Amino acid sequence: EAQVTQNPRYLITVTGKKLTVTCSQNMNHEYMSWYRQDPGLGLRQIYYSMNVEVTDKGDVPEGYKVSRKEKRNFPLILESPSPNQTSLYFCASSLSARSFDSSYNEQFFGPGTRLTVL
Amino acid sequence: KNQVEQSPQSLIILEGKNCTLQCNYTVSPFSNLRWYKQDTGRGPVSLTIMTFSENTKSNGRYTATLDADTKQSSLHITASQLSDSASYICVVGAGFSGGYNKLIFGAGTRLAVHP
Repeated sequence: EAQVTQNPRYLITVTGKKLTVTCSQNMNHEYMSWYRQDPGLGLRQIYYSMNVEVTDKGDVPEGYKVSRKEKRNFPLILESPSPNQTSLYFCASSLSARSFDSSYNEQFFGPGTRLTVL
Repeated sequence: KNQVEQSPQSLIILEGKNCTLQCNYTVSPFSNLRWYKQDTGRGPVSLTIMTFSENTKSNGRYTATLDADTKQSSLHITASQLSDSASYICVVGAGFSGGYNKLIFGAGTRLAVHP
């Protein structure tokens, strides 16, 4: 089954304790992205990756790191989590992020990771 | 500034009724517009996608319209069902140099369908 998976789905941690949220897709997609979703706000992009070893900042990258060593995986790293990073996180992937063919850049979302930082 | 605004913020309707959700955008250069459905606690799922040249697209009981001149889109739900209760998110793609398509998300409309 074609899908985007995230782990863990729920996480409660304390300030300053490094954590990693994994994201994996089995659709051979080039483009992957991380978003956070907070009440009353739209999805905001944290980081994205156009392909292996190519990553770039989104709109709210502070406090986060990513890596793209393999095409299928795109982990999100919080080196020193703080309470303002309490949020619902989504990973997404698409065939491409190029605009010439809209069907190529339809994004498929993972199930979400609910993170609480105390 | 690229922005996507949705209205209403929330909506309650009775099962079987129709409803229309609105999306206004100021995104340039415009590439495409998508509507996503997001069930509580789950990731968004694409309903429709439209490019500049398309002004209507249907997916079952969901019909999206696009007016590129006024920069408005609507999502019409016909004969609503309880399972339509969800948030509906309007997402506009901005096409930048090199063909990279950045997505601008609206805050969503939360729809509740009551029996």
